[in-house]
Parts: sequence; structure tokens; C-alpha cells
Amino acid sequence: SQTIHQWPATLVQPVGSPLSLECTVEGTSNPNLYWYRQAAGRGLQLLFYSVGIGQISSEVPQNLSASRPQDRQFILSSKKLLLSDSGFYLCAWTRGLGEGTQYFGPGTRLTVL
Amino acid sequence: SQKIEQNSEALNIQEGKTATLTCNYTNYSPAYLQWYRQDPGRGPVFLLLIRENEKEKRKERLKVTFDTTLKQSLFHITASQPADSATYLCAPTGPSGGYNKLIFGAGTRLAVHP
Repeated sequence: SQTIHQWPATLVQPVGSPLSLECTVEGTSNPNLYWYRQAAGRGLQLLFYSVGIGQISSEVPQNLSASRPQDRQFILSSKKLLLSDSGFYLCAWTRGLGEGTQYFGPGTRLTVL
Repeated sequence: SQKIEQNSEALNIQEGKTATLTCNYTNYSPAYLQWYRQDPGRGPVFLLLIRENEKEKRKERLKVTFDTTLKQSLFHITASQPADSATYLCAPTGPSGGYNKLIFGAGTRLAVHP
């Protein structure tokens, strides 16, 4: 069976500090991978998606970046965090040729102070 | 631009009643529509998918309808239980194959009271 991991589960960072969130998927090959952010009481905002190693598409211009160094690893980064980067970050995967049903990780709660 | 509307106000119902949640979309024609459940502090969990050529789909106490003319989906939970309390998200989706980008509605929070 497939599983998706995210870490850390919670993170408190000062403004201006760097960020690195990691997501890994087990039990499948060549998944499509996604990063979402959810502000408190709000819907899911798609940040980045990837259909393969080194292939990253950005949906929303901001001070975040994503990388996919391995087939089942997806990393979200920032060089300098802003207060507005606070939120709940979710990683998700889909089968490349499937109907797009997404399987979400447990999420990372980021608070920027 | 593509837009998805779900009731922003919470839906409060009594245990045992049927809950009905609405999802309206504009400016695109999805090949199918998905519903997810999200509990506080957790990632969404897939519940049901209905294709454009299906009028209705059922799974246990859940029922989804899809009206491509009205551009609307209804999500029903029959014999609701307090454990059904959560936020429910809809996601109209494009054709399958290759990359599939889901756009989620903001969700409707359901509260089932004993």
C-alpha cells in the first residue's frame, strides 16, 4: 500500500529565516506530487506541482520554491520567510495516469513569528 | 477564471437527519467531480468521485449527484452521525491522463448534533 510522509509536523520560525519542508511517498512510482497551503479557516491553495524528477510548475508567484530531487521526494523551501507564509502545508500525490484522486499527507503547521 | 462555490456558513443538523451540501462551479467543464472530507488539523481524505456521464453515485450512507447543465453537485449524508462532523470539500476535475490539477472549493463545515 502507498503512504505519504511529511515532516516536520509543526514548525515555528522567525521572519526572515529559511524553510525546508519535506514530503516522501512510498509504495508507488512516478507519482504526480503537489504542495498546497491552507490558511486558517480557508481553502486549499495549490502552490507547486511536479510530474517528474526536476520538473516543477509554480501556480502562485511568491517567495517559496519547490524541488523534486528524487522520484518520490518533494521539498518546499524558502530563503526568507514572511509572516504571510504561516499556514498549514499539505503534500499530496496522484497516480500519473489516474483520475486525479489525491492522497494527502498529514501536513505541517508552520507559524512565522 | 474558474470558480467553485460551497456554502461558507456551517451546516448544523440533528443526528439521524440527512445533510445536503452544495458545490457550484463556473467557467469550466470538468470531466468528473470529487468530494473530500477534512478533519481539523488533518489532510483531506478522498470520499467519492462522480463522472460527467453519471447522474448519481452512492457509497454506504453517502450519495453524490452531478448536474453538468446546472454546473452543480450535491453531496448527501443520510442518517448523519456526530462522527460525520467535518469540513467537506468538492473538487471539479479535468479529463484524466497525465497531469491532473485539482481546484478545491473552500469547503462547507458540517456539525451533527446528538
